[in-house]
Amino acid sequence: AQTVTQSQPEMSVQEAETVTLSCTYDTSESDYYLFWYKQPPSRQMILVIRQEAYKQQNATENRFSVNFQKAAKSFSLKISDSQLGDAAMYFCAYRSIPGSARQLTFGSGTQLTVLP
Amino acid sequence: AAGVIQSPRHLIKEKRETATLKCYPIPRHDTVYWYQQGPGQDPQFLISFYEKMQSDKGSIPDRFSAQQFSDYHSELNMSSLELGDSALYFCASSVFSGGDQETQYFGPGTRLLVL
Repeated sequence: AQTVTQSQPEMSVQEAETVTLSCTYDTSESDYYLFWYKQPPSRQMILVIRQEAYKQQNATENRFSVNFQKAAKSFSLKISDSQLGDAAMYFCAYRSIPGSARQLTFGSGTQLTVLP
Repeated sequence: AAGVIQSPRHLIKEKRETATLKCYPIPRHDTVYWYQQGPGQDPQFLISFYEKMQSDKGSIPDRFSAQQFSDYHSELNMSSLELGDSALYFCASSVFSGGDQETQYFGPGTRLLVL
């Protein structure tokens, strides 16, 4: 079974600064998907970014980018120019390849505080 | 763009009662997932359906059952409710094929409180 580990229960960043959230995972599969979701106080789960394991290029979505290190099984999220609205719980998630178990396996989350 | 719809948004039940949660996926999405998120926890997978057939099963109690209907909406039926069932229940949907496959989009969740 796959496991996802987020070793930083809490992080804080100054507004307009950059912060990196860590995520590692354990799997024996060679192809899979990785995601970052954010959960603000409303508790809505919002997709931030996704990465396909077969793609070497790191995914980017505006101020959000990932550092995907497949050999190290590491998938960190970098938030640039942090804004107050980025304050949320961030979950890293793993999904197996099509045809096998398709549910998301989540990490325990990192609570991000943005300081004005 | 249309999102996943869940109803009701809030539900209060007594112990041993039953509850039915409904999920309406994004149009043209053929797969529905149910997750349970307890206080301070990460979401845990319960069950999923693809094309109206059960696809995968996670840590869903025997007291719970679910199905996906011909219009692709899904219902999670919970019986003999226990205090520990109090949680936020998410439904997510995805499309099996196409450019955005394998990405699950979540609804706003149903907050269930069992007294």
